[in-house]
Amino acid sequence: DAGVIQSPRHEVTEMGQEVTLRCKPISGHDYLFWYRQTMMRGLELLIYFNNNVPIDDSGMPEDRFSAKMPNASFSTLKIQPSEPRDSAVYFCASSLSPPPSTGELFFGEGSRLTVL
Amino acid sequence: GENVEQHPSTLSVQEGDSAVIKCTYSDSASNYFPWYKQELGKGPQLIIDIRSNVGEKKDQRIAVTLNKTAKHFSLHITETQPEDSAVYFCAASTYSSASKIIFGSGTRLSIRP
Repeated sequence: DAGVIQSPRHEVTEMGQEVTLRCKPISGHDYLFWYRQTMMRGLELLIYFNNNVPIDDSGMPEDRFSAKMPNASFSTLKIQPSEPRDSAVYFCASSLSPPPSTGELFFGEGSRLTVL
Repeated sequence: GENVEQHPSTLSVQEGDSAVIKCTYSDSASNYFPWYKQELGKGPQLIIDIRSNVGEKKDQRIAVTLNKTAKHFSLHITETQPEDSAVYFCAASTYSSASKIIFGSGTRLSIRP
């Protein structure tokens, strides 16, 4: 398997623009997670899905952020409108079952977002 | 909620020496403690984990120890090699908050040749 695939790897945009980040989880993994990594706040869980259904979105910073998972092989994280403070590396991860049970999150290589 | 603190934030050791990274957690209900390694430009990757019914676990040159009474857990890397240079994250989770793994702030480990 190719692992978790994220796109784009790098995105530079201007404040106010819409940003869409994409993720393809590992085939057969029922759980998908979106994390944000910054120097100040480290790795933060934004939202996770189980069988394409959002389970916990309490980490989504505000209404400008939304995430969808239309099918088992694709998820998007959208920011509209984007702001400079959204600049971060966004990671998608997948797992077979809840990490406490299986012990492993498989991360993609991340999407580095810069909002000017 | 759970809070995980990690120390030190940076660590430089001579190749061949040992490295130790320490973490504390706040939620006494936490029972799963993974460690992830993040290389430059990559996503974090699980290197070892420990559950609350175990005090120590080893895998070749890496080992983790857990002290549930003190809410401490540590990562030990022996005979360090250049490829050990990376950022290491500890984390904690409970079955009651399934999938909410809380990460520490990370330790940047550098191995001096």
